[in-house]
Amino acid sequence: NAGVTQTPKFQVLKTGQSMTLQCAQDMNHEYMSWYRQDPGMGLRLIHYSVGAGITDQGEVPNGYNVSRSTTEDFPLRLLSAAPSQTSVYFCASSYSAGPEQFFGPGTRLTVL
Amino acid sequence: RKEVEQDPGPFNVPEGATVAFNCTYSNSASQSFFWYRQDCRKEPKLLMSVYSSGNEDGRFTAQLNRASQYISLLIRDSKLSDSATYLCVVSGGSYIPTFGRGTSLIVHP
Repeated sequence: NAGVTQTPKFQVLKTGQSMTLQCAQDMNHEYMSWYRQDPGMGLRLIHYSVGAGITDQGEVPNGYNVSRSTTEDFPLRLLSAAPSQTSVYFCASSYSAGPEQFFGPGTRLTVL
Repeated sequence: RKEVEQDPGPFNVPEGATVAFNCTYSNSASQSFFWYRQDCRKEPKLLMSVYSSGNEDGRFTAQLNRASQYISLLIRDSKLSDSATYLCVVSGGSYIPTFGRGTSLIVHP
């Protein structure tokens, strides 16, 4: 049981490049989320999904896209990277709303 | 005003000390409350849920005060391994939880 996995662990992009951050969970959780964590800002919700085929925006969705074609996978796409997207990105999953969220190890992204 | 506020600290305490953190929230309709722990450069992990009646898990005690809209975390007999950032999390009826910015705890010998 691997829990929540994220790839890559580190990434450096140039402004304007696109990329996809991968997230997968093997706990059969319905709920999955993407957060970004910046110094002094805490964790902020980017997008979330309450099940396969269903996604919704969180607090800071601009510049990011998501899709949820399977229960296991929830990729986050950066369409045109900007320096303001330099951050640590965490994916999380939970059985349902409210109770414990399980976080992946994070992806450290730098946009030059 | 941020929805969930925490004193960033750091709280610098000796081993064996008792330390308490508070977290205030602005949405009176909030329904679920949690404390997470985050070690340096690691992912957050659930420490404990917070119930209206208060709850205890070993050296950790969490309490909720709905009237004053705050939750607290008390750590007794602090260990070096308790050094971490403690995140307060509040959620209402929707799925979207709100994280506080965290309180840093440093336990020294």
